[in-house]
Amino acid sequence: DAKTTQPPSMDCAEGRAANLPCNHSTISGNEYVYWYRQIHSQGPQYIIHGLKNNETNEMASLIITEDRKSSTLILPHATLRDTAVYYCIAISSGTYKYIFGTGTRLKVLA
Amino acid sequence: DAGITQSPRHKVTETGTPVTLRCHQTENHRYMYWYRQDPGHGLRLIHYSYGVKDTDKGEVSDGYSVSRSKTEDFLLTLESATSSQTSVYFCAISEDRGTGYGYTFGSGTRLTVV
Repeated sequence: DAKTTQPPSMDCAEGRAANLPCNHSTISGNEYVYWYRQIHSQGPQYIIHGLKNNETNEMASLIITEDRKSSTLILPHATLRDTAVYYCIAISSGTYKYIFGTGTRLKVLA
Repeated sequence: DAGITQSPRHKVTETGTPVTLRCHQTENHRYMYWYRQDPGHGLRLIHYSYGVKDTDKGEVSDGYSVSRSKTEDFLLTLESATSSQTSVYFCAISEDRGTGYGYTFGSGTRLTVV
C-alpha cells in the first residue's frame, strides 16, 4: 500500500471550508484513497473514499488529482465539532491492513 | 458506535497477568480487526479475522492472541501483560476486506499495565 503524507496540523475558521491535503505519490492503479477522522479519544470514523473520480457525501468532498498522486478532503462549512485528527490512507482492493500514520490535527477556531 | 461494542472500556492490570478484551458486533460483518493506538505511532494492526475461526497476524502481533468462535465476537488476549502493552485498543469491523464500505470502529478500551 502506498505511503501517504499529511501536514501535522492545520487551523480553520468556523464556517469556512477546511481543505486537508494528502500526498500519495506512489499510489498504484488499484489503490483507493480513504479518509477517516478521530475526534478526541473516540474510535476513528469513516468519512469518504475514492479511486479516480471526485466524490461527495453528506460529510465531505474528496478531490483526487488526475495523476492520483494527491488528494484533498474538503469540509465545506467547518464547525467546532469538526476539530479532530484526519487520516488519509491508500489501500488496495483486498488488503486487510490499514496503515493509518499520524494524520492531520485540524483545529476549527470560533 | 452503533453495532459494535468493546468491553471493558477501562482496565488496570498488573504485569504478568492475563487479560482478555472483547469486541462484540451486531452487524453480522465478516471481517474484524484489533488495533492499538499509542502516541506517535497512530493506529497499528494487531490481529484480524476474516471469518469464524479464521484469523491472522497484523504488524504488531507479538504478545497477543485472538479467537473468534462466533461471528459476533472477537477476543484479544494478552497472555502475560507487560507495561509496553499499556495502550488504547480499538476493535473494527467491515463487510469486506477494506474497500467499499470502510471500517466501523468501536469506542476503545484503555488498558493500563502497572
